[in-house]
Amino acid sequence: AQRVTQPEKLLSVFKGAPVELKCNYSYSGSPELFWYVQYSRQRLQLLLRHISRESIKGFTADLNKGETSFHLKKPFAQEEDSAMYYCALTTFTGNQFYFGTGTSLTVIP
Amino acid sequence: EAGVAQSPRYKIIEKRQSVAFWCNPISGHATLYWYQQILGQGPKLLIQFQNNGVVDDSQLPKDRFSAERLKGVDSTLKIQPAKLEDSAVYLCASSAQRQGLEQYFGPGTRLTVT
Repeated sequence: AQRVTQPEKLLSVFKGAPVELKCNYSYSGSPELFWYVQYSRQRLQLLLRHISRESIKGFTADLNKGETSFHLKKPFAQEEDSAMYYCALTTFTGNQFYFGTGTSLTVIP
Repeated sequence: EAGVAQSPRYKIIEKRQSVAFWCNPISGHATLYWYQQILGQGPKLLIQFQNNGVVDDSQLPKDRFSAERLKGVDSTLKIQPAKLEDSAVYLCASSAQRQGLEQYFGPGTRLTVT
């Protein structure tokens, strides 16, 4: 069963515009949710996780258990935000990690 | 600190041949993960080690894939024999603890099976 769904494979926004990358999950327990990012020619790296409630590089994500969503948002997109973004979920025991198929974000100058 | 190291970076083999990938995690990281990422998909966890013990290998095709982490540090992932559908990037990651903490990824090994 698909645990993490990212409905948009490609997303383009203009610089300075708000951006939202969607992530929905399927898990009956209490998941931990993450956003990972991969910039061009770089390694996959953690952007943020819901338990820390941080804002990293202007990005935030709120876990909505009612809608089983963990959308990533930024009010003003920058060119350096262009990258591949993956939503990920781990189970309570931490034994399994599930990644979505990713969304490629392009910020148009 | 040095990051996760993987080798080789690229490998091309014919189907039915064998191949092995090597991973050196960040020093002190107890947990090590192997992922398979097929083009256009997200990473899929194959196996997770805690020190030199297997935490989960439920997604590992055990008829052809094997992995070990004998001394709780380096790890190797082997495919024998390879199939065309094994063409993918194989990612290694490590984390300081098992549950819910940041994973640090290596650069990956791109495998092409012809």
